[in-house]
Amino acid sequence: QVQLQESGPGLVRPSETLSLTCSVSGYSITAGYCWGWIRQPPGKGLQWIGSVCQNGGTYYNPSLRRRVSISVDTSKNQFSLRLNSVTAADTATFYCARESYDIVTAQILINYMDVWGKGTTVTVSS
Amino acid sequence: QSALTQPASVSGSPGQSISISCTGTRSDVGAYNYVSWYQQYPGKAPQLIIFDVTRRPSWISSRFSGSKSGNTASLTISGLQAEDEADYFCSSYTSTDTPFVFGSGTKVTVL
Repeated sequence: QVQLQESGPGLVRPSETLSLTCSVSGYSITAGYCWGWIRQPPGKGLQWIGSVCQNGGTYYNPSLRRRVSISVDTSKNQFSLRLNSVTAADTATFYCARESYDIVTAQILINYMDVWGKGTTVTVSS
Repeated sequence: QSALTQPASVSGSPGQSISISCTGTRSDVGAYNYVSWYQQYPGKAPQLIIFDVTRRPSWISSRFSGSKSGNTASLTISGLQAEDEADYFCSSYTSTDTPFVFGSGTKVTVL
């Protein structure tokens, strides 16, 4: 049974860096799939943040690209999110997810998220 | 890239069928069969219920079905039950700068 679990601080100061880790159990992150982050501000909808894929490539939401990075630690079967220069607008529940994808003309097309973590709430406040 | 457009709310009585629309463009819903749907209960993570427009994970009830026509995808819930009261989000791959986008979300109320 594949399980994902987010971890990280629940409170981050404005202008600092938000760092979260997703620990994967029951499946090797090198065996396939993309691995992504999604966030949901309180009372609002879902926003795809970005993904890291089996080919080592990373894909980001352009609205966050200048501030975000996603990396993989294969030795720990984990992947991580870093979001720089946070503001109150970054307050949200953050989910990690396993993402199915297709390859079309050598391009990765992210398709759907079939396994999700339970989510972790991050508040940006001084 | 704007979110795919969904109605804010849909309601129905137990046993009825309801449909939720998800309107995109020729760059996403209209161009690719990569539409998926998620069910989310309050305080819980989303759960995949439909992928590839019409396919359903094995553990999801057959009361849930998906379809697509042009730039609009739809989720239909048949035989509405109290447990179906939740938020529903669609999503799609897009060929724009943002490679993946979610819908705005629909709250389903069982009357």
